[in-house]
Amino acid sequence: ETGVTQSPTHLIKTRGQQVTLRCSSQSGHNTVSWYQQALGQGPQFIFQYYREEENGRGNFPPRFSGLQFPNYSSELNVNALELDDSALYLCASSLGGALGAFFGQGTRLTVV
Amino acid sequence: SQQGEEDPQALSIQEGENATMNCSYKTSINNLQWYRQNSGRGLVHLILIRSNEREKHSGRLRVTLDTSKKSSSLLITASRAADTASYFCALSTSGTYKYIFGTGTRLKVLA
Repeated sequence: ETGVTQSPTHLIKTRGQQVTLRCSSQSGHNTVSWYQQALGQGPQFIFQYYREEENGRGNFPPRFSGLQFPNYSSELNVNALELDDSALYLCASSLGGALGAFFGQGTRLTVV
Repeated sequence: SQQGEEDPQALSIQEGENATMNCSYKTSINNLQWYRQNSGRGLVHLILIRSNEREKHSGRLRVTLDTSKKSSSLLITASRAADTASYFCALSTSGTYKYIFGTGTRLKVLA
């Protein structure tokens, strides 16, 4: 077990709704990254938070937003859900990039 | 593209055999990680190898890195049915903050 926990594990939403996914990082890790993994694909980087500030963003629209809290836990918010947002959302925590990233079990989001 | 590309895309072997999967990339890297993923669940960290390292071992796993050829390989020795999973390489490049994943190798170990 990595110590990275995500909630909920599964979620079904309707197109146009908003969703919030949560992640608790591994103890001592100050960096959280979010990834989207479509079926049969590798994970795609959404964004990263370091000490409560966004520290980089992938090619995702602004309706994907996030937060990091003082205890380094994090949220991913997605507004105006589209069918193509259906995917496994993975959170990874790290202590700097040189030491590796450790992932949670993911949240499976289905948009109908 | 900076994306790592795993080869083969799928691999089926008998229990007890060795499994080798490869990752090629096009840019300079800080480090490269290998992950395992079971049935669309979370990614399990296997090994991190830095750009100045050539080989690392962890149990039945052996990872090599050839920065001149921009490639890495993951060898699983004496495979078990429980090794059945998808395996991904993930690249960390200079000056960036993200890991770039390949499309993965789907390994099936037959009992």
